[in-house]
Amino acid sequence: GNSVTQMEGPVTLSEEAFLTINCTYTATGYPSLFWYVQYPGEGLQLLLKATKADDKGSNKGFEATYRKETTSFHLEKGSVQVSDSAVYFCALSVSGGSYIPTFGRGTSLIVHP
Amino acid sequence: SQTIHQWPATLVQPVGSPLSLECTVEGTSNPNLYWYRQAAGRGLQLLFYSVGIGQISSEVPQNLSASRPQDRQFILSSKKLLLSDSGFYLCACTRSYEQYFGPGTRLTVT
Repeated sequence: GNSVTQMEGPVTLSEEAFLTINCTYTATGYPSLFWYVQYPGEGLQLLLKATKADDKGSNKGFEATYRKETTSFHLEKGSVQVSDSAVYFCALSVSGGSYIPTFGRGTSLIVHP
Repeated sequence: SQTIHQWPATLVQPVGSPLSLECTVEGTSNPNLYWYRQAAGRGLQLLFYSVGIGQISSEVPQNLSASRPQDRQFILSSKKLLLSDSGFYLCACTRSYEQYFGPGTRLTVT
């Protein structure tokens, strides 16, 4: 089956620090990979995606590279802001597979001024 | 692009009362639709998904049910709420393997 493993949180950083949130996956088939962000009290929003190996997804200063050899899709940002405080979910979907995406458990990020 | 509406935004219900949460989708046709729940923590629990009118698949056996009376309408129901039904309920649809989520309904069962 498919699974996504994310690092446990919360991750607590000071403003302007470098962020890495680790995500690894197992999949039957060739997955597309996603990062979603959930701000307090809201639904999830798609942050970025990558659909094939070595693709780099990027948005709002965040980026993640699809590493097939290490089955990873780590989220990074060079300089976080207080407004980046949220829960981040790594996810995958397999083309031609079930209609159900697979989500990680989420990683809470807290950024202090 | 598609927009997902959910209502109500918040709800406080006593144990044993019925429940009806509604989700409607604009901007797309024949979407795959999903109900998720987040209880207390952060994780997403898939409750139901639907690939078409009247087609509902249940992922977790419990006292909740779902219906899809129209192409872009998805309803989550319960005849008798339990305390454990408290949580944040999210409706979602899929397009090109990306999921799009509604704003959610915060349910508190007292």
